[in-house]
Amino acid sequence: NAGVTQTPKFRILKIGQSMTLQCTQDMNHNYMYWYRQDPGMGLKLIYYSVGAGITDKGEVPNGYNVSRSTTEDFPLRLELAAPSQTSVYFCASSSTGKGSYEQYFGPGTRLTVT
Amino acid sequence: GESVGLHLPTLSVQEGDNSIINCAYSNSASDYFIWYKQESGKGPQFIIDIRSNMDKRQGQRVTVLLNKTVKHLSLQIAATQPGDSAVYFCAEKGGSEKLVFGKGTKLTVNP
Repeated sequence: NAGVTQTPKFRILKIGQSMTLQCTQDMNHNYMYWYRQDPGMGLKLIYYSVGAGITDKGEVPNGYNVSRSTTEDFPLRLELAAPSQTSVYFCASSSTGKGSYEQYFGPGTRLTVT
Repeated sequence: GESVGLHLPTLSVQEGDNSIINCAYSNSASDYFIWYKQESGKGPQFIIDIRSNMDKRQGQRVTVLLNKTVKHLSLQIAATQPGDSAVYFCAEKGGSEKLVFGKGTKLTVNP
């Protein structure tokens, strides 16, 4: 299994541009998450999904959108990028029903907005 | 609301010593806790977890202690190695499937 994969690894955007961060998992996990991590800080939840077709806001959803059309994919869309969205973005997935809530993380996407 | 904090942002230890990383939480309803390790430039990796009906759990060279009375969680790493140098996060889970992460403690192991 490849686990959780994210593309791209790095991206530089100009203010006002848009982009989609891709996330794919091959573990058949029903839950998927998007976090951002600012320098020296912990992870803040942007959006999450409990299954295909179902998404919900996390702690910091403003400026982002998500969709979940398949179990495997959970893209994060940035519209009108702002410098405040400069961060490292992590996608994660988890499975329920096994007594563990461990989330499996991807390698991250480092985004700079200038 | 839920919140997770750490007592110390950085910790420096000598190779071979034991390390203790502390974490405070405020949500008494949290029923699950987890520790992650994040190496530079990588995503967080699972270390160990513990449910609220336990007060101690051991893994390979790691032990997690949970004190629900004072809402405190700690991660003990035995015989710390240079490869243990990383940022360590604790996270808690309340009533939903979401984890709430703390800010992290940076562990540096000196040879």
